[in-house]
Amino acid sequence: SQKIEQNSEALNIQEGKTATLTCNYTNYSPAYLQWYRQDPGRGPVFLLLIRENEKEKRKERLKVTFDTTLKQSLFHITASQPADSATYLCALRTGNQFYFGTGTSLTVIP
Amino acid sequence: EAGVAQSPRYKIIEKRQSVAFWCNPISGHATLYWYQQILGQGPKLLIQFQNNGVVDDSQLPKDRFSAERLKGVDSTLKIQPAKLEDSAVYLCASSWAATEAFFGQGTRLTVV
Repeated sequence: SQKIEQNSEALNIQEGKTATLTCNYTNYSPAYLQWYRQDPGRGPVFLLLIRENEKEKRKERLKVTFDTTLKQSLFHITASQPADSATYLCALRTGNQFYFGTGTSLTVIP
Repeated sequence: EAGVAQSPRYKIIEKRQSVAFWCNPISGHATLYWYQQILGQGPKLLIQFQNNGVVDDSQLPKDRFSAERLKGVDSTLKIQPAKLEDSAVYLCASSWAATEAFFGQGTRLTVV
């Protein structure tokens, strides 16, 4: 069956450190992978997209890697801030559909 | 640019009652999605429209859920009759080129 798994445990890190979140998938061949941020009571907000032929993508303090052999994406937030505290979701696009992972809750401690 | 609008924000109903949610996507977005998000889980795709045609409804419980998108713009999602396990946030999203989805704030449904 198809699965998209993210860190099951909540992630707590100290302000200024780098947060690394993982997204593993099975039985998908995604055209691309996206990362979204979701705050409590709000809908997800798009952050970054990485295509299957790209290894790495950066946007300000965010970096995403995509390894189609390992079927894994890593999402990094450098110089983390308390305002980065949220749930982060990965989403795969296959065909015309988006499928979401379970999400990882990140708390950045001042 | 106005975002995706959803209403109502909150709804409490008793089991076996019916409920409807409304979504107005971003102007010009041909693709519209309804997701169900149960507390602590990621969004689960219920149905996807391309203009006013259904692209994917494989995970929609069709015995109780229905959705339509009139004139390829607004959409409604209905549950009839509701069950306790339908308690969740129902998210509507739209996209232009299927590169990223823009989400509304969602409707939080509680079935008691």
